[in-house]
Amino acid sequence: QVQVVESGGGVVQPGGSLRLSCAASGFTFSNYGIHWVRQAPGKGLEWVAVISDDGSFKHYADSVKGRFTISRDNSKNTVSLQMNSLRADDTAVYYCAKASGKNFDYWGQGTLVTVSS
Amino acid sequence: DIQMTQSPSSVSASVGDRVTITCRASQDISSWLAWYQQKPGKAPKLLIYATSSLQSGVPSRFSGSGSGTDFTLTISSLQPEDFATYYCQQAHSFPLTFGGGTKVEIK
Repeated sequence: QVQVVESGGGVVQPGGSLRLSCAASGFTFSNYGIHWVRQAPGKGLEWVAVISDDGSFKHYADSVKGRFTISRDNSKNTVSLQMNSLRADDTAVYYCAKASGKNFDYWGQGTLVTVSS
Repeated sequence: DIQMTQSPSSVSASVGDRVTITCRASQDISSWLAWYQQKPGKAPKLLIYATSSLQSGVPSRFSGSGSGTDFTLTISSLQPEDFATYYCQQAHSFPLTFGGGTKVEIK
């Protein structure tokens, strides 16, 4: 069965960095794009970034452009989200999701990122 | 960016009720609209894509309709497991955007 598992969340100071990982299984990983979606505490969903199946296409939300970088390693079935210059408003649960076109058909359980001094 | 507006933000309903949630896009998105269900502390779950296509395993009491800018999610007979928050999402263009959510609560 399809599984997507995030890791790497934690507490970081404003201006700091964190790297999230997403490990996938149960499908042909190299055939699908992967998205990151976040949800601030008590708030709605916000799309963050996407990477295409072969890594050639990447797109970011304006709120993270220039600070976050998405990458993938198809040999390890993993996607990473490097987050730099973190701000308090980046505090959220970050979900990794398998792409189905521009929809998200399988989601991980999420990993919490807290930006606080 | 395409703005997605859901209404109502919350609805109180009883088991067996018919519930309708609406979603409006700020521009024409054709049929590129999906719906998700999220329960507290859990990841969202895809219910409907391309406006009216039911994701595998989703009960047939869920249905979607609309086109262009106005869309609807209908739950024909609310079940206890349907109490959750529902989000619409436009899949027309980047940046992908979600509606603010509709919380379906027990009356």
